[in-house]
Parts: sequence; C-alpha cells; structure tokens
Amino acid sequence: ETGVTQSPTHLIKTRGQQVTLRCSSQSGHNTVSWYQQALGQGPQFIFQYYREEENGRGNFPPRFSGLQFPNYSSELNVNALELDDSALYLCASSKSSARSHQETQYFGPGTRLLVL
Amino acid sequence: QQQVKQSPQSLIVQKGGISIINCAYENTAFDYFPWYQQFPGKGPALLIAIRPDVSEKKEGRFTISFNKSAKQFSLHIMDSQPGDSATYFCAATHNAGNMLTFGGGTRLMVKP
Repeated sequence: ETGVTQSPTHLIKTRGQQVTLRCSSQSGHNTVSWYQQALGQGPQFIFQYYREEENGRGNFPPRFSGLQFPNYSSELNVNALELDDSALYLCASSKSSARSHQETQYFGPGTRLLVL
Repeated sequence: QQQVKQSPQSLIVQKGGISIINCAYENTAFDYFPWYQQFPGKGPALLIAIRPDVSEKKEGRFTISFNKSAKQFSLHIMDSQPGDSATYFCAATHNAGNMLTFGGGTRLMVKP
C-alpha cells in the first residue's frame, strides 16, 4: 500500500507568479484535502475534493483553486502569489463511501513553498 | 465556532516521564478528535483518535482522555522517550474525513 505523495518537495517563486502543486492519494482513497501550514502553526484547511468535485472550502481566496482527476490524484493551483503564501502545503487523502461519510485523513510530506 | 485551543505551546520532559498536552474545543458538532505527530520537514502522522462516545482510549504508550461536558481532551504519553520529541497537534472535525480544525501545536522535547 503506497502512502500519500506530493511534488515537488520544495519550490521558490516570486510574488505575482502562479504555482501548481501535485498530490497522489493513498491507494484505495478517493478523497483529497489540501491544507496550508505556516511556520510554527497548525495546518489550515484550504479545500477538499471528492469524486472530482469540490466538497468543502476553508477561508481562502479564489486565487487558490484545485482539481481532482479520475485516478483521484489532485492539484492545488495558486495564482498571483503573495509573500504570505510562503508555507508548507499538505495534501491528505481519505476513503469516502459518500460525500458525508468519510474516514480518517492521512497526510503526505508536503511541499515547501517560498515566495520572494 | 471552529476554534481548537491547545496548550502548552512547548513542553520539556525527562526521559521516562509523562507528557501531557491539553486541548479544548467549542463546536459541539465535532465528533472525531485525532492527534497528529509531526517531525521537522515531514507531514503530520496520525497517532491516535477518539470519538466522544468513550472517555478514554489507549494505544501503547499513548492515551487520549476525553471530557465531553467540559469540551476538553488530552494526550498522555507515558514513559516518554527522546524519539517522541516532535510537534503534536490535536484536531477536531465533524465526520472523520471532513475539514480538520487543528490546534496550534505543542513542541515536545524529551531530554535523555
């Protein structure tokens, strides 16, 4: 059973640029959630995808967007990067039998994004 | 209210001692309370979780105590080891796989 994988591991961008982060869910999982973890803080929920549709969103602006593909992998896109977007971006996968019935989330190692 | 408050922010314990981390929540709809362990440069790893229908759950050296009326829960690490040195996060959610609301984290250092 393979765990959650994320790419790239590290990324440096400049303010105003766009970035795409990728996540492969754990084998057998069909739901992917994205979190932002600023240095020294707990992760903050960005959004979740279930069966290729957004299934909940946290308090993040529309320039944070995502996709889920038929193989349940996912992308997080961030447009017009700001300095405060510098953080560890975490992907978590879980197995859901329905939109409202889900199981425990398991996290990937994260992508460290630095915006200069 | 979605907030989960965690204390202390940092904790130093001698090897063999008991580490205790506390969390309090406000949203009474929360029905799943996991604890995650995070090492530097790594993602959070699920340690142990509890649902509010039980007051305590034990797995090895790790125990969660849950007080539904007080809306508080805590993690106890018995016989703490230097390898336990990490940041611990409590979290809460309604429905296990739904949006997790995390506490601010506790940085634990276990001295040899």
